Amino acid sequence: GAVVSQHPSWVICKSGTSVKIECRSLDFQATTMFWYRQFPKQSLMLMATSNEGSKATYEQGVEKDKFLINHASLTLSTLTVTSAHPEDSSFYICSARLAGDLYNEQFFGPGTRLTVL
Amino acid sequence: AQSVTQPDIHITVSEGASLELRCNYSYGATPYLFWYVQSPGQGLQLLLKYFSGDTLVQGIKGFEAEFKRSQSSFNLRKPSVHWSDAAEYFCAVGAGFQKLVFGTGTRLLVSP
Repeated sequence: GAVVSQHPSWVICKSGTSVKIECRSLDFQATTMFWYRQFPKQSLMLMATSNEGSKATYEQGVEKDKFLINHASLTLSTLTVTSAHPEDSSFYICSARLAGDLYNEQFFGPGTRLTVL
Repeated sequence: AQSVTQPDIHITVSEGASLELRCNYSYGATPYLFWYVQSPGQGLQLLLKYFSGDTLVQGIKGFEAEFKRSQSSFNLRKPSVHWSDAAEYFCAVGAGFQKLVFGTGTRLLVSP
């Protein structure tokens, strides 16, 4: 149980285009999902917290107009990198927390490798 | 503010030898503590977690961790390391609806 999927697992795009990454909780409902960014050989950096049916909460320094997050259902959150540039190339990981969870236990997706040419 | 320190950037252990990965945290209240493992190019897998109760926590793949409040530590241990354990290990702290804070990770290398 508690499986989280991400799609696509990797994507290559041209500079200036937009890329959408999906995060799905497969066998549970997740009122809260999280989006992280990870640079090579570094830890995870929380980008934003996504709550179903409301606007995402972005961490300081993360451009909300560049990284659009939508959490339209209890099983799906999407991250859209708008007008991507090479510096946006990174490993993006989502996680989900079970509805009603009080312990902040998060289940992670396998990640999406974004390369912007 | 909460924080996590993993003082060892990388550790090399011989296969079959014991392992201990260190994690120290700073948190104002009773912390919820987690250990995750990440293989190259993969997401994070939860190894074990501590919320309350018994301070020695058993996890998957033969791992265990001990919560020591007096030392603000939550070290991860395994009695006998296998080559497949080579990966990046992250300690994290969080509670309630606050965000998880991750340590910088420890890369485990297993020598034959």
